[in-house]
Amino acid sequence: DAGITQSPRHKVTETGTPVTLRCHQTENHRYMYWYRQDPGHGLRLIHYSYGVKDTDKGEVSDGYSVSRSKTEDFLLTLESATSSQTSVYFCAISESPGWQLNTEAFFGQGTRLTVV
Amino acid sequence: QKEVEQDPGPLSVPEGAIVSLNCTYSNSAFQYFMWYRQYSRKGPELLMYTYSSGNKEDGRFTAQVDKSSKYISLFIRDSQPSDSATYLCAMWGSGAGSYQLTFGKGTKLSVIP
Repeated sequence: DAGITQSPRHKVTETGTPVTLRCHQTENHRYMYWYRQDPGHGLRLIHYSYGVKDTDKGEVSDGYSVSRSKTEDFLLTLESATSSQTSVYFCAISESPGWQLNTEAFFGQGTRLTVV
Repeated sequence: QKEVEQDPGPLSVPEGAIVSLNCTYSNSAFQYFMWYRQYSRKGPELLMYTYSSGNKEDGRFTAQVDKSSKYISLFIRDSQPSDSATYLCAMWGSGAGSYQLTFGKGTKLSVIP
């Protein structure tokens, strides 16, 4: 199994509070991604990183920010959590840009976030 | 219209049946096509990938791409209870967004012993 650890695995938080999710990898892969998965929507990209301090927005980035100060860590922050951000969050890593043949993306186990 | 359409199911089949899972897409820039399998409360894992049109076989699994129809399929032969999972199609192309995989919503499959 690829070395990806997401923390926490479960979290319940109150509306309006900031929340930070952490993705830690031991594979030294350059590319890291944050997705959210919701019933009826599937997996949607929030933000991604193509190197230390290099990040960009995905499809559903509003209300989220990210930081990557080290190759191995990619943090996702909900500045002020809302109930619409209740979801399962997945981190993914890949070695190469894009999704080329023989380049696999590895997903973490997910973080279940509930905003009450 | 979403770029990738996938019937969410659920799909329930008896053990040993042939399963057909499908996705349609609208973006002709997609070149790489993947199938991910996701067990309950786990992250997705890559099952198969293909480039452009054609078939690819791996054991009981066959992935098929028809770019002219913008249609991809995953066939599972001799289905087993351990195949019970959600199957997500995913695709990417260099002209469709450099770092983004586009996923279908997933089809939940149950194989009944």
